Amino acid sequence: KQEVTQIPAALSVPEGENLVLNCSFTDSAIYNLQWFRQDPGKGLTSLLLIQSSQREQTSGRLNASLDKSSGRSTLYIAASQPGDSATYLCAVTRAGTALIFGKGTTLSVSS
Amino acid sequence: EAGVAQSPRYKIIEKRQSVAFWCNPISGHATLYWYQQILGQGPKLLIQFQNNGVVDDSQLPKDRFSAERLKGVDSTLKIQPAKLEDSAVYLCASSFAGGTGELFFGEGSRLTVL
Repeated sequence: KQEVTQIPAALSVPEGENLVLNCSFTDSAIYNLQWFRQDPGKGLTSLLLIQSSQREQTSGRLNASLDKSSGRSTLYIAASQPGDSATYLCAVTRAGTALIFGKGTTLSVSS
Repeated sequence: EAGVAQSPRYKIIEKRQSVAFWCNPISGHATLYWYQQILGQGPKLLIQFQNNGVVDDSQLPKDRFSAERLKGVDSTLKIQPAKLEDSAVYLCASSFAGGTGELFFGEGSRLTVL
């Protein structure tokens, strides 16, 4: 059974810092991995999707990497801003099946 | 392009009452999902539809939860009778079958059971 773990559960940083959020999964037979952002009281916004054949994806200040063999992904946020404060969720899927989520990392960026 | 639409956004009911949530996926998306997100947890899949057929409902509490997607577009999730532990956000998501598998989520329906 696939399990997804995100560390740390919460993170507080000052504005401008570069930071890394970690995601690990127990079954390496994944189809893709997706990172989401969730603001309080809101739905999930897709940030980055990494197919199993890819090693990383980039969007603006965000970079996500994937190491299937070790069951790990990282989300790198460069030059953090207060607007980046949110919960970040990692999720994995097999082909044709639904996403399995971690519990998320709640990020707080102070100005 | 319109996103995933859900309603109502908020609902407060007494335990043992019933409630229904509605979802309209992104146009052309054949796969529709209902997730339950309890405060402080990641979303948990309740049911997955491919067009109007059920792909996975293994985690749906079938004694009280039901869902349908009759015409392969809109979907309704019903809870009857509700329990206190059903208090959660119910998220609907859709994806384009045969694509990258990227999921797009709605804003969610927040249920409080008193």
